[in-house]
Amino acid sequence: AQSVTQLGSHVSVSEGALVLLRCNYSSSVPPYLFWYVQYPNQGLQLLLKYTSAATLVKGINGFEAEFKKSETSFHLTKPSAHMSDAAEYFCAVINGGYQKVTFGTGTKLQVIP
Amino acid sequence: KAGVTQTPRYLIKTRGQQVTLSCSPISGHRSVSWYQQTPGQGLQFLFEYFSETQRNKGNFPGRFSGRQFSNSRSEMNVSTLELGDSALYLCASSLENRVQETQYFGPGTRLLVL
Repeated sequence: AQSVTQLGSHVSVSEGALVLLRCNYSSSVPPYLFWYVQYPNQGLQLLLKYTSAATLVKGINGFEAEFKKSETSFHLTKPSAHMSDAAEYFCAVINGGYQKVTFGTGTKLQVIP
Repeated sequence: KAGVTQTPRYLIKTRGQQVTLSCSPISGHRSVSWYQQTPGQGLQFLFEYFSETQRNKGNFPGRFSGRQFSNSRSEMNVSTLELGDSALYLCASSLENRVQETQYFGPGTRLLVL
């Protein structure tokens, strides 16, 4: 079965600094990978997804992620953190032909003014 | 277009009781998936319904069940509640739940079992 591992349950960055959230995947076949964001007391919102069309994926709110097969990674980045980016971020992979999604354990991003 | 709605938003039950949660997908969406979110286990896939049929199922005991109606609305039921069932239950809808589609999540139902 496919899986994802998120490194770091909590990440703190200063406002304006680079955001880097790490995700590594395990898969025997080309994976479909996702990043979701969850704000307090809300559901999940899709930030971006990789479906093998392009290795650099641009998402909403200025986020992007690069699929690196050699490193089995799909790290999420944003050049300049904003206070509104404070939330929990989940990396996810699809198991099976339909979206039976397996989520990582999540990374809580804190943005320090 | 209205988003995914879940009712109720909050629920308190006691051990041994049963509970039914409801999810109304975005209009036109035929697939509804359910997830359980807990601090200890994170987000876990429960099951997915498409056109009134369960198409995928996660690794949860038989106490967890669901169904989907002809209007695509879905319910999930948990019988004989246990303390460990306290969680945020999320549903997500999409047109047909194919990989190239986006799943849209509802705000969740927070269940507390006492």
